[in-house]
Amino acid sequence: DGGITQSPKYLFRKEGQNVTLSCEQNLNHDAMYWYRQDPGQGLRLIYYSQIVNDFQKGDIAEGYSVSREKKESFPLTVTSAQKNPTAFYLCASSIARTGNTIYFGEGSWLTVV
Amino acid sequence: GENVEQHPSTLSVQEGDSAVIKCTYSDSASNYFPWYKQELGKRPQLIIDIRSNVGEKKDQRIAVTLNKTAKHFSLHITETQPEDSAVYFCAASNPGWGATNKLIFGTGTLLAVQP
Repeated sequence: DGGITQSPKYLFRKEGQNVTLSCEQNLNHDAMYWYRQDPGQGLRLIYYSQIVNDFQKGDIAEGYSVSREKKESFPLTVTSAQKNPTAFYLCASSIARTGNTIYFGEGSWLTVV
Repeated sequence: GENVEQHPSTLSVQEGDSAVIKCTYSDSASNYFPWYKQELGKRPQLIIDIRSNVGEKKDQRIAVTLNKTAKHFSLHITETQPEDSAVYFCAASNPGWGATNKLIFGTGTLLAVQP
């Protein structure tokens, strides 16, 4: 668990601004994920990546973008096109094979003001 | 696509009692079912998981059962303690989704253990 670092932990954004959330892992995992969690709700998949320079949309990708230039890093950009960005964002990683544990980072709280 | 339903949404038990949380999934090809515990403001942490080739798995006070025919799986916590209070999420994963261990989560159960 301690091998996934998210920053910042808390972030305030003005409407119309883009913001980038950082996610770094030192677990040597090929697969990385971004989930969004709204209060009292479950986790919804935004984007995932199985390997460097490749990523796929999840269930709620609209208004978000990602890159995977390095194995260790999977930053998420919340763009101004995301209509309701206030949420708790969780980055995760795993071995890229079904049935392997997914480990989560500490999360980033994003608030639009 | 896969859909995971979880019940109940809230559960209150007395310390020492048992707690049961149930999930159903829609895609019969799903074969990996983990359970995560999330304390307030913290990251979800895996507490137990089960694969489709077994029907039950136990780890001390927690156990998970899987009924592939009915497409449902359950989390059982015995001798509950106040530190068990948290939100519990079930999830499902399908090898047909590719190499990535992509999880679809249930909506969570808030478990409150009353001292």
